[in-house]
Amino acid sequence: KNQVEQSPQSLIILEGKNCTLQCNYTVSPFSNLRWYKQDTGRGPVSLTIMTFSENTKSNGRYTATLDADTKQSSLHITASQLSDSASYICVVSGRNNAGNMLTFGGGTRLMVKP
Amino acid sequence: DAMVIQNPRYQVTQFGKPVTLSCSQTLNHNVMYWYQQKSSQAPKLLFHYYDKDFNNEADTPDNFQSRRPNTSFCFLDIRSPGLGDAAMYLCATSGRDGSSYNEQFFGPGTRLTVL
Repeated sequence: KNQVEQSPQSLIILEGKNCTLQCNYTVSPFSNLRWYKQDTGRGPVSLTIMTFSENTKSNGRYTATLDADTKQSSLHITASQLSDSASYICVVSGRNNAGNMLTFGGGTRLMVKP
Repeated sequence: DAMVIQNPRYQVTQFGKPVTLSCSQTLNHNVMYWYQQKSSQAPKLLFHYYDKDFNNEADTPDNFQSRRPNTSFCFLDIRSPGLGDAAMYLCATSGRDGSSYNEQFFGPGTRLTVL
């Protein structure tokens, strides 16, 4: 069964600090992995997308890593800001006939405090 | 700007009273999805359209129906909402070539309250 597990479930950090969110998956065959940011009451917005051959990808203060051998990914947030408070969802895409089916992780709820 | 638009953003209905949620897109994407997301949970795929072909997830209740009259619009109909159907409903689209690399673009969601 395809699964995506994220840790921690929730995290509180002080503004300006760094943090790292984890994602483990068992989706097979693997196509790509995405990190989404979802603000409360809003739809998810893509931060990064990585294919099998990519180890790291950055988007401003967000840096995602992927280890396809261990089936792990991380999202590192540098110099956190209050606006980073949101849920961060790891989503893994597997190949099938439809081509676009995703397996969602449960998300990590991040709160950045002043 | 090209985008995925959902209306209304907030919908209140009564137990058992039919409700329709709307999604439109200006991306000209051929695939449109409806997800249900309950509090603190991951989005759950209800169904998707690949062009006009409707694909229902096996565990989607019969209470949920969908219509796609054209490329741009897709509707979610809940025939007899129950209290357990209160959730955020997300519409998403993805691109034309069907590659699983294609990103899904999400709308802002409609939060449904059932009284």
